[in-house]
Formats: sequence, C-alpha cells, structure tokens
Amino acid sequence: AQSVTQLGSHVSVSEGALVLLRCNYSSSVPPYLFWYVQYPNQGLQLLLKYTSAATLVKGINGFEAEFKKSETSFHLTKPSAHMSDAAEYFCAVSDRKGSARQLTFGSGTQLTVLP
Amino acid sequence: DAMVIQNPRYQVTQFGKPVTLSCSQTLNHNVMYWYQQKSSQAPKLLFHYYDKDFNNEADTPDNFQSRRPNTSFCFLDIRSPGLGDAAMYLCATSRDTLETQYFGPGTRLLVL
Repeated sequence: AQSVTQLGSHVSVSEGALVLLRCNYSSSVPPYLFWYVQYPNQGLQLLLKYTSAATLVKGINGFEAEFKKSETSFHLTKPSAHMSDAAEYFCAVSDRKGSARQLTFGSGTQLTVLP
Repeated sequence: DAMVIQNPRYQVTQFGKPVTLSCSQTLNHNVMYWYQQKSSQAPKLLFHYYDKDFNNEADTPDNFQSRRPNTSFCFLDIRSPGLGDAAMYLCATSRDTLETQYFGPGTRLLVL
C-alpha cells in the first residue's frame, strides 16, 4: 500500500529564506508524486508533479522538487520565501489501484513566513 | 477559463437534515471525485465517478451518496448529517483515472 509522510506539521521561515518541506513516500510501484498548496478556506492548487520524466521538477510560484528514488523522497523547495507562500502544503502519491490511480495525501505542512 | 466550480462555498445545515453539495466542471473531464477534509487533516477520498460508473471507497459511510446526471455536474448528498460530518468537501476532476486531479475551491459544511 502506498503512503506519504510529511515531516514537520508546521514550518516557519523568515521572508527571503530557503523553504524546505519534506516528503517521503512508500509505493510498491513507480509512483507519481504531487505537491498541492491550500490557502485558507480554498481548494487544493497543483504546484508541481513528478511522472517519471525529469527527477527535478519545476512548478509554479518558484517552487521545485526533486525525486530521489534511493531516499524515497520528494522534498519541496523554494530559494526565497515570500509572505504570500504562507499556506498548507500537501504531498501526495499516486499509484495504480487496478485500472485507476489512487491519490494518497500526506498529513500536510503548514508554512508560516515571518517578516 | 476551464475550471472546477463548487456551490455553495459555505453551507450550514441542521443535525439530521439532508443536504446536497454541488460540483460542476468545464474541463470536460471523465472522472469526478469527492473528498472530505476535516480540520487540520489530509483530504480523504469518499468516491469517484468514471463517466457514469460509480466507485465507492470501502470505508465511506452509507450516509454519503453521490449523483452524476451528466459529464459536467456531480452532487454529494448527505442523507442525515451528524456533527462529525462538518468538514470541507472538495470536488476534483481528472481527464482519466490515471491523470492529474484538479480541485475546486471546496464547500465548507457546518452542522448545527
């Protein structure tokens, strides 16, 4: 069975500092991996996805993530945090369940950006 | 812009009073999903439709039902809401079950 672990339910960074949100997965087959962002009282917005092409994936808003199979990780980074990055971030893994793909979310990381 | 629309954004209902949440999409996607997200938790899949084929998750309570009258619309019916059903309900769509899911803004349900 697939699962996702997000280390750190809350992360605080200063504006302009590096953002690093950690995600580790387990999957019995090569996974597809996603990062979604959720602003308060909003739905989930896709930041980026890995679907077995390039291991370094660039997303929207300056975020990127690197798929490391040996570490079963898909950490999300951004070189310089913006106040507008404050939100909840969900890592998700998708692998096959029969003829479909099932999306399993991590428990989320709340990012706070300090002025 | 093609998108996933959920109405209403906020819904208040009474304990035991049936409620229906609505989702529509202009993406012409084949698959529509309903997720339940409780406070500070990850979204949890309730069920999905592939076209007209309904797929229920094993642990989705019988209290939750869904209808998809056409490609564009999908409804979530909660027959007898309990206090524990208060949550954000997220609709998502994908072109195929193997494809990326795109989410609507959600409906926050409050049960009094």
